[in-house]
Amino acid sequence: DGGITQSPKYLFRKEGQNVTLSCEQNLNHDAMYWYRQDPGQGLRLIYYSQIVNDFQKGDIAEGYSVSREKKESFPLTVTSAQKNPTAFYLCASSRGTSGSFYEQFFGPGTRLTVL
Amino acid sequence: RKEVEQDPGPFNVPEGATVAFNCTYSNSASQSFFWYRQDCRKEPKLLMSVYSSGNEDGRFTAQLNRASQYISLLIRDSKLSDSATYLCVVNTVTSGTYKYIFGTGTRLKVLA
Repeated sequence: DGGITQSPKYLFRKEGQNVTLSCEQNLNHDAMYWYRQDPGQGLRLIYYSQIVNDFQKGDIAEGYSVSREKKESFPLTVTSAQKNPTAFYLCASSRGTSGSFYEQFFGPGTRLTVL
Repeated sequence: RKEVEQDPGPFNVPEGATVAFNCTYSNSASQSFFWYRQDCRKEPKLLMSVYSSGNEDGRFTAQLNRASQYISLLIRDSKLSDSATYLCVVNTVTSGTYKYIFGTGTRLKVLA
């Protein structure tokens, strides 16, 4: 089955620790994205990548880092510099970023809690 | 003004009712439009893309009004399983970069 997988589903982190969230897709999509969702709020873009070995900051990139070494993988690291990391993190992919009707498809998400 | 605005609801409707949601967007250069459904503590799932001529998928109808800059979603014959949050998404260009802008969602509760 084609799709997007994220792991782990739940993650608990102590303050001061860095953690890495995994995102893998087998849809052969060029573009991948990371979003953060807080209760009662819309999705906010953290980083996105249009092609391998290239990525751009989104609206709330501070305290996060990414890499895109392979087309199918786009891991997100939440660093200790992120002030309020507790949130629901969603990874998505699409065939492209510009133009008509490149629908985004989402992974099941990772719920991160900082203790 | 937010780039994409939705009425947060909740819309409480009885089974079998027809319900409509609107979503307004501020950037007239927006290219494409989508409705997603999100269940509690789950990921958003694509419900339908919104085409200029309007489109229908079973009980769901989506419309685009570029002149007034809004899209709509109509659900006919509501089912209990339609209870969810419906997200409006607009693909828009800002400073030469295309971005997907999400509304905060409209919550629907279908009551037995």
